[in-house]
Amino acid sequence: GNSVTQMEGPVTLSEEAFLTINCTYTATGYPSLFWYVQYPGEGLQLLLKATKADDKGSNKGFEATYRKETTSFHLEKGSVQVSDSAVYFCALRYNNNDMRFGAGTRLTVKP
Amino acid sequence: DSGVTQTPKHLITATGQRVTLRCSPRSGDLSVYWYQQSLDQGLQFLIQYYNGEERAKGNILERFSAQQFPDLHSELNLSSLELGDSALYFCASSEQGRGNTIYFGEGSWLTVV
Repeated sequence: GNSVTQMEGPVTLSEEAFLTINCTYTATGYPSLFWYVQYPGEGLQLLLKATKADDKGSNKGFEATYRKETTSFHLEKGSVQVSDSAVYFCALRYNNNDMRFGAGTRLTVKP
Repeated sequence: DSGVTQTPKHLITATGQRVTLRCSPRSGDLSVYWYQQSLDQGLQFLIQYYNGEERAKGNILERFSAQQFPDLHSELNLSSLELGDSALYFCASSEQGRGNTIYFGEGSWLTVV
């Protein structure tokens, strides 16, 4: 079935460090891929998405590229800030079905 | 603000009791989803409704049920509550269409004591 596997962490970085959170997926056909972010005490917010192979989603300095050949959608940011501390979820959605989420990766950025 | 409204935000109840969580989707969204987030199980899909009809079922216990009403709001009913049901319950909604984003509410924190 459709599923997502992501680096579980936790990940701790210093401010201005480079961030990569790995995400790979298993799916039949061509799902849409998403990254959601959950700040402390809040719900999930869409961070970025890509709907087809080679698409790059970007938002707030974060980027992820839909790689069909490696079935991956790794999240990257060149310079993290303390305010980026949150839990990040990789997810896929196939047609109009429910969203399937990875386990989440907790990121802590220290000043 | 995602436009998805959930009530109550916090709820404390005793084992064996029954609670109802309510969700109003974004204006115009026909699909509603319920998810459970707990520390040990992560984010689990429970059930999806589309325009009043059940569309997909995930890891929803038999003690739990949901429905979507003609005005598109949805309710999740949790009965015979156990300590392990303590979790954050999210409602989400979306339009139809490939790649459409699912928008989440802020969740209802349920604590069973």
